[in-house]
Amino acid sequence: QKEVEQNSGPLSVPEGAIASLNCTYSDRGSQSFFWYRQYSGKSPELIMSIYSNGDKEDGRFTAQLNKASQYVSLLIRDSQPSDSATYLCAVLPRGGADGLTFGKGTHLIIQP
Amino acid sequence: DVKVTQSSRYLVKRTGEKVFLECVQDMDHENMFWYRQDPGLGLRLIYFSYDVKMKEKGDIPEGYSVSREKKERFSLILESASTNQTSMYLCASSSLGGYTFGSGTRLTVV
Repeated sequence: QKEVEQNSGPLSVPEGAIASLNCTYSDRGSQSFFWYRQYSGKSPELIMSIYSNGDKEDGRFTAQLNKASQYVSLLIRDSQPSDSATYLCAVLPRGGADGLTFGKGTHLIIQP
Repeated sequence: DVKVTQSSRYLVKRTGEKVFLECVQDMDHENMFWYRQDPGLGLRLIYFSYDVKMKEKGDIPEGYSVSREKKERFSLILESASTNQTSMYLCASSSLGGYTFGSGTRLTVV
């Protein structure tokens, strides 16, 4: 059974601080990892992808991957109220034949 | 940018009706997917397709079917709509793993 686990939150972070979102996955052979942002009533939007161990930075966003610990995280620096959304972690399992497996998401609230 | 278009943003149908949800993508992607999203349950895969006329069941295919007659179009069919199929339906397209989603169809079955 492929599983992707996230803390549902809400995670409340003051404006300007670093928001840290975490995700664990069960399939050790998973090969690709994605973070999506979803505003209320809208569809998910891809914000980061990461394929190898370590950090990947894109603007205020940093994705971190540790395959040995089966752990993926997303850091948002200088958090803004517009970052308030649900963040979905998604994993492409071994072989990738069945498509992405999504976590249920973490609801992030940035407090002005 | 890839554009994935879902034909309806909101839809209200009666129990027992046959319902068609249409999805079109404009980037020649091989892979297309249908998910439903419900509070507390997250995104659940209904069906997917890796090629024209090809389809594979996802995690919750019961009560649904799909059609992919052309590469750019992937249709989800509710054979006989029921109230437990009230949900947000999301279509996605991909070529290298990361999905691009359509804007979603919020379906209410009364």
